[in-house]
Amino acid sequence: DAGVTQSPTHLIKTRGQQVTLRCSPKSGHDTVSWYQQALGQGPQFIFQYYEEEERQRGNFPDRFSGHQFPNYSSELNVNALLLGDSALYLCASSLSRTSGGTSTDTQYFGPGTRLTVL
Amino acid sequence: RKEVEQDPGPFNVPEGATVAFNCTYSNSASQSFFWYRQDCRKEPKLLMSVYSSGNEDGRFTAQLNRASQYISLLIRDSKLSDSATYLCVGKNDYKLSFGAGTTVTVRA
Repeated sequence: DAGVTQSPTHLIKTRGQQVTLRCSPKSGHDTVSWYQQALGQGPQFIFQYYEEEERQRGNFPDRFSGHQFPNYSSELNVNALLLGDSALYLCASSLSRTSGGTSTDTQYFGPGTRLTVL
Repeated sequence: RKEVEQDPGPFNVPEGATVAFNCTYSNSASQSFFWYRQDCRKEPKLLMSVYSSGNEDGRFTAQLNRASQYISLLIRDSKLSDSATYLCVGKNDYKLSFGAGTTVTVRA
């Protein structure tokens, strides 16, 4: 059973550049959420995608955008990178369409992409 | 004010000891609560869901007090492998709100 996968593992960019991070959800899951985790902090919710649309968004500027594809995989795009965008970016997958009583509460996290902005 | 607040610790305990810690949440609309554990430079992993009636999973016991808006986690008979950061999480609609984590170190 394939878990949540993310790519790349690490990324180094300079201020002002743009970055795209990728996520494939756990097998059978249809929902993808993105989180940003700065050093020493808990993950902060960026947004969630379901049925190829942004369903809920956290307190992040429009520089952060995303996309979900028909196969449920997702991308996070960050434009005009700032030094403060350096963080671990986590993708979490879950199941929104209940099946046989399966819980929709549980979000499973991928290993993350560590972004460094210089 | 952060939605979920935790004592950062660290809690340094010997093997076999019991350790307990709490977190508080400010959003009374939160529908579900969880404890995740996170090892250094790894992703968070679900430890357990938290129910008002209290629930136990092996050596771990979680409790939710909605009236006082706090959540607790108790670890009995601590193992070296329990050393990690424990993240308290509230869920509102589709969003998970994480605390900054409580660090537990179990020593031999």
